[in-house]
Amino acid sequence: AQSVTQLGSHVSVSEGALVLLRCNYSSSVPPYLFWYVQYPNQGLQLLLKYTSAATLVKGINGFEAEFKKSETSFHLTKPSAHMSDAAEYFCAVSTDTGNQFYFGTGTSLTVIP
Amino acid sequence: GAGVSQSPSNKVTEKGKDVELRCDPISGHTALYWYRQSLGQGLEFLIYFQGNSAPDKSGLPSDRFSAERTGGSVSTLTIQRTQQEDSAVYLCASSLAAYTSYEQYFGPGTRLTVT
Repeated sequence: AQSVTQLGSHVSVSEGALVLLRCNYSSSVPPYLFWYVQYPNQGLQLLLKYTSAATLVKGINGFEAEFKKSETSFHLTKPSAHMSDAAEYFCAVSTDTGNQFYFGTGTSLTVIP
Repeated sequence: GAGVSQSPSNKVTEKGKDVELRCDPISGHTALYWYRQSLGQGLEFLIYFQGNSAPDKSGLPSDRFSAERTGGSVSTLTIQRTQQEDSAVYLCASSLAAYTSYEQYFGPGTRLTVT
């Protein structure tokens, strides 16, 4: 079975500061990992995904995430936060043996001017 | 092109009534997924379709929930005898195929409130 844990339901950072959103997964088989962003009153949008290629994955809007098998983590980072980054972020896991996606409970990012 | 659309955007219903939620996927996408997003919860997978077939219905919360897809396009999620705990945002997503490396494109959701 697969599952995702997102540490910190709310994260606040100052504009220009580093953004770090944590995601740990549990999977008995090699996982596929995803980060989605949900802006207010909008649908979820894919930020980036890991599908067993490079462990450092670059996504849209300057975000990136690193797959660390030893730590079962897939944390999302961005060097410098913008006001427009304020949104809800979801980590998700799936595997190539199934078609279900398991999402975390989300992290709400607030950017302080 | 057009993205995934869902209707209605908001639905308020009385406990015990039946509701139908509609999803129009992106044209050409053969896979379609339904999720439920409750307050303070992550996205809960409900069901997926590959074409008109739903290989796995185990995610549906109870037998009051059902879904169908016709013509490999539009899907309807039906909740019978709604309960207050059914209140949530119901999200639909589509992808080129039901393979996990394919990106899912999400609709804006239907917010269901059961009074």
